[in-house]
Amino acid sequence: KAGVTQTPRYLIKTRGQQVTLSCSPISGHRSVSWYQQTPGQGLQFLFEYFSETQRNKGNFPGRFSGRQFSNSRSEMNVSTLELGDSALYLCASSWGLAGGRYEQFFGPGTRLTVL
Amino acid sequence: AQTVTQSQPEMSVQEAETVTLSCTYDTSESDYYLFWYKQPPSRQMILVIRQEAYKQQNATENRFSVNFQKAAKSFSLKISDSQLGDAAMYFCAYNNNDMRFGAGTRLTVKP
Repeated sequence: KAGVTQTPRYLIKTRGQQVTLSCSPISGHRSVSWYQQTPGQGLQFLFEYFSETQRNKGNFPGRFSGRQFSNSRSEMNVSTLELGDSALYLCASSWGLAGGRYEQFFGPGTRLTVL
Repeated sequence: AQTVTQSQPEMSVQEAETVTLSCTYDTSESDYYLFWYKQPPSRQMILVIRQEAYKQQNATENRFSVNFQKAAKSFSLKISDSQLGDAAMYFCAYNNNDMRFGAGTRLTVKP
């Protein structure tokens, strides 16, 4: 089985722009979660999607949004980029809702740099 | 809010020796899951071991084992017979509804 894939792997944007990141889960997985990893704040949960519905959301401003398609692929969007949005964005998929019962498999991440 | 604390920013171990990484967490829930994840320089997060809070028996996966003390809210990871490939950042995580990670411990393995 192919693993979780994320595109693009690297991205450079300027302040004020918007960006869309993509995540393709493992085949058969219905849950996709997004995380932000920075040196200062560590790993933080952004949101989780299951069956095209957002099931859970972390403590991030409304500039961060996402969606999930019928094939379970997910996109994450950040509008009006700020310097502090520079981070590694990780996507993880699991068969069921990621309450811990089902193992989450992580993708390689998208490194976003905001200039 | 649930918090996860890893008090050791860095640890070092000699190859073939044993090392223990510490983790404590804070929660008022009784049912939850705990994890140790490994993140090597390649950045790909890999699940090392998982513990279900309602299970008293400590989880083990080959050279990796945990010491789960529910009352003390402690969840340490023991790596036996350390190998060079074990060098990585190790994250402790708690999950009841969403995943909360500790700050991580950087493990160095000396040959």
